[in-house]
Amino acid sequence: KAGVTQTPRYLIKTRGQQVTLSCSPISGHRSVSWYQQTPGQGLQFLFEYFSETQRNKGNFPGRFSGRQFSNSRSEMNVSTLELGDSALYLCASSPYRQVPSYEQYFGPGTRLTVT
Amino acid sequence: GQQLNQSPQSMFIQEGEDVSMNCTSSSIFNTWLWYKQDPGEGPVLLIALYKAGELTSNGRLTAQFGITRKDSFLNISASIPSDVGIYFCAGQLRDDKIIFGKGTRLHILP
Repeated sequence: KAGVTQTPRYLIKTRGQQVTLSCSPISGHRSVSWYQQTPGQGLQFLFEYFSETQRNKGNFPGRFSGRQFSNSRSEMNVSTLELGDSALYLCASSPYRQVPSYEQYFGPGTRLTVT
Repeated sequence: GQQLNQSPQSMFIQEGEDVSMNCTSSSIFNTWLWYKQDPGEGPVLLIALYKAGELTSNGRLTAQFGITRKDSFLNISASIPSDVGIYFCAGQLRDDKIIFGKGTRLHILP
């Protein structure tokens, strides 16, 4: 089974621009979560989508948004980029059967650098 | 807000030694997860724990879900060079959110 894929792997953007990151979950997984990883703050939860609906949201400003498509693929968007948005953005998918499964499988991440 | 305190932050050990790390919190968790992250990669799930008191092994790795549901530990026995990396604990709260510890960086001395 192919793992979680994220595109692009690396991205350089300028302050004020916007960016869209993409995530394809493991086949059959319906839940997709997004995380921001920085050396100072560690892994921080952004949001989780299940069946095209946002199920949970972390404490990030409204500049961070996401969506999920009917095939479970997900995108996250960051508008009006700030220097502090430079981070590794990780996507994780989960089977989410009848009993919620919190066994999340991570992709390799997208390294975003804002200059 | 809820926090997970993971310790130690880093460890330097000799190959063959056993390793122990833990996570504690003032919050109660329904699930504990342990991950390992190698440079340039996403975290890889090592062990998932779903019941208080549960002790689970995965090869040389053993993890336990604390009885109070506020803590968990991970042990690695007979460490080998490929154990080098950053280990994260993660806890799932009652509102289904998952929070991560800051990680334990494991170094193995030659």
